Amino acid sequence: GDSVTQMEGPVTLSEEAFLTINCTYTATGYPSLFWYVQYPGEGLQLLLKATKADDKGSNKGFEATYRKETTSFHLEKGSVQVSDSAVYFCALGVIIQGAQKLVFGQGTRLTINP
Amino acid sequence: ETGVTQTPRHLVMGMTNKKSLKCEQHLGHNAMYWYKQSAKKPLELMFVYSLEERVENNSVPSRFSPECPNSSHLFLHLHTLQPEDSALYLCASSWGFATGELFFGEGSRLTVL
Repeated sequence: GDSVTQMEGPVTLSEEAFLTINCTYTATGYPSLFWYVQYPGEGLQLLLKATKADDKGSNKGFEATYRKETTSFHLEKGSVQVSDSAVYFCALGVIIQGAQKLVFGQGTRLTINP
Repeated sequence: ETGVTQTPRHLVMGMTNKKSLKCEQHLGHNAMYWYKQSAKKPLELMFVYSLEERVENNSVPSRFSPECPNSSHLFLHLHTLQPEDSALYLCASSWGFATGELFFGEGSRLTVL
């Protein structure tokens, strides 16, 4: 079945460091790929997405490129801030009977120290 | 109100109680979802509704009973739960016929004693 694997956390970085969170997926079809972020005490919110191979999603300085050949969607940011501390979830999405089914990775907790 | 609203935000119940979680979306979406978020486990998709019809039931125990009376409201009825059912239950909604964003509520934190 469809699945998503993320790098194990927690990840702790200093402010202005470079961030990479690895994500790989297994899917039978051609899914869309997403990164969601969850701040403390809140629900998940979409960070960025890509709907087909070689697409690059970007938002708030974060980027991820849909790599079909390596089945990957790694999240990167050139210079992280304390406010980026949160849990990050990689997900794949497929359409089923008029709804979108998202399959999530286990999440990676990121802490940025000043 | 805007977005996806879940009530109650916190719920403590005994194993013999019956309670319900409520979700309301004000976004005009046609699909709604229940997810379970437990510590150290990936988010688990529980139920999917499209146009008020259930289209996915991911082998969820019958002690969880969903209800979608209209496209704006989704309920999760709970009865005779187990302590391992303690988790954060997240509701989401979306336009289901195209690849797009799921909008999540803030969740209902359930503790089963």
